[in-house]
Amino acid sequence: AQTVTQSQPEMSVQEAETVTLSCTYDTSESDYYLFWYKQPPSRQMILVIRQEAYKQQNATENRFSVNFQKAAKSFSLKISDSQLGDAAMYFCAYRSPRGGGGGSQGNLIFGKGTKLSVKP
Amino acid sequence: ETGVTQTPRHLVMGMTNKKSLKCEQHLGHNAMYWYKQSAKKPLELMFVYSLEERVENNSVPSRFSPECPNSSHLFLHLHTLQPEDSALYLCASSQHDSNTGELFFGEGSRLTVL
Repeated sequence: AQTVTQSQPEMSVQEAETVTLSCTYDTSESDYYLFWYKQPPSRQMILVIRQEAYKQQNATENRFSVNFQKAAKSFSLKISDSQLGDAAMYFCAYRSPRGGGGGSQGNLIFGKGTKLSVKP
Repeated sequence: ETGVTQTPRHLVMGMTNKKSLKCEQHLGHNAMYWYKQSAKKPLELMFVYSLEERVENNSVPSRFSPECPNSSHLFLHLHTLQPEDSALYLCASSQHDSNTGELFFGEGSRLTVL
């Protein structure tokens, strides 16, 4: 079965600085999706960034980018120019493709999360 | 209204009560999910409905009973719960045949069992 590990329960960053959140996963599949979700104190989980495993190019979304190392099964999130509004829980997640093995119906498998604090 | 909405946002119940959580999605999706979020633990998938048919039930105790009357609505009926069932219950939706694989979440229902 697939697993997702986030080894940093808490992280802190100074406003305007850069921070990297770590995520590793374990799978025997060759095709899958990886996600970073953000859950602010208001609790609604929102998608930050998505990476398809078949794409070699790292995904970027404005100040958010990933370092996807498929062979190492690593998927870290880099937040540049950190803002106070970035403070939240960040969850790394894995999803099998539709109809793929492992996760039934391609459900998301989450890590335990990293709590990010941003200092003014 | 857009997105995924959950009601109630907060619920306190005794172990002998019967209550229900409601989820509604306005995104035209055809798959809906219930997740349980407890402190210090990863999100746990409880149930998946795809095209209104339950396709996943992750060994959830029978005191949790889901219902999906149509593709836009999902309920979680609760009865005879235990204090360890206190958690945040998240509803999500997706398009079953989507290539993006993305789930859209509601804000959650915070359940406290006394």
